[in-house]
Amino acid sequence: NAGVTQTPKFRVLKTGQSMTLLCAQDMNHEYMYWYRQDPGMGLRLIHYSVGEGTTAKGEVPDGYNVSRLKKQNFLLGLESAAPSQTSVYFCASRLETSGTYNEQFFGPGTRLTVL
Amino acid sequence: AQSVTQLDSQVPVFEEAPVELRCNYSSSVSVYLFWYVQYPNQGLQLLLKYLSGSTLVESINGFEAEFNKSQTSFHLRKPSVHISDTAEYFCAVSASGGYQKVTFGTGTKLQVIP
Repeated sequence: NAGVTQTPKFRVLKTGQSMTLLCAQDMNHEYMYWYRQDPGMGLRLIHYSVGEGTTAKGEVPDGYNVSRLKKQNFLLGLESAAPSQTSVYFCASRLETSGTYNEQFFGPGTRLTVL
Repeated sequence: AQSVTQLDSQVPVFEEAPVELRCNYSSSVSVYLFWYVQYPNQGLQLLLKYLSGSTLVESINGFEAEFNKSQTSFHLRKPSVHISDTAEYFCAVSASGGYQKVTFGTGTKLQVIP
């Protein structure tokens, strides 16, 4: 199993450009998440999905959109990038099992710079 | 609402010395608690977790953490650190029911000095 993979690993954008970050997991997990990591701020949840075709806002959703058309993929879109969106983006997935808690598995991250 | 506080942003420690990384949480409901480790240029990996039962939990590489409900703490300890333990450590909390949103602390960078 590859686990959670993220594409691309690095990207530089100019202000106003758009892009899509792809997260893929091969563990058949129901839950998927997008976080951003900034120095001194830990991880903050952008959006999440509890299943195919469903998405919900997290803690810092403004400026981002997401889609979960297939269970294994979770896309994060930036329609008009801003310098404040310079960050490291992490995707995670989790298996949902009734009556217990399963850990989140994280991808390796995407380092995005917006000039 | 829930929150996590990691007061120490950086902790330098000599190799083979003991270390404690502090974590305090706030929540109005029962919680699950976690420690994640992030090595340079990698994603987060679960180090250990407290869900219920014994308040002392251990990892496979010698770390342990103790859930203290009265002090709302979940400090991470290791009696003797190695160079390979150099990483950033994140404490996290989740409500024990419902959607189980996970809230992460701001992280503590552990620097092991040879």
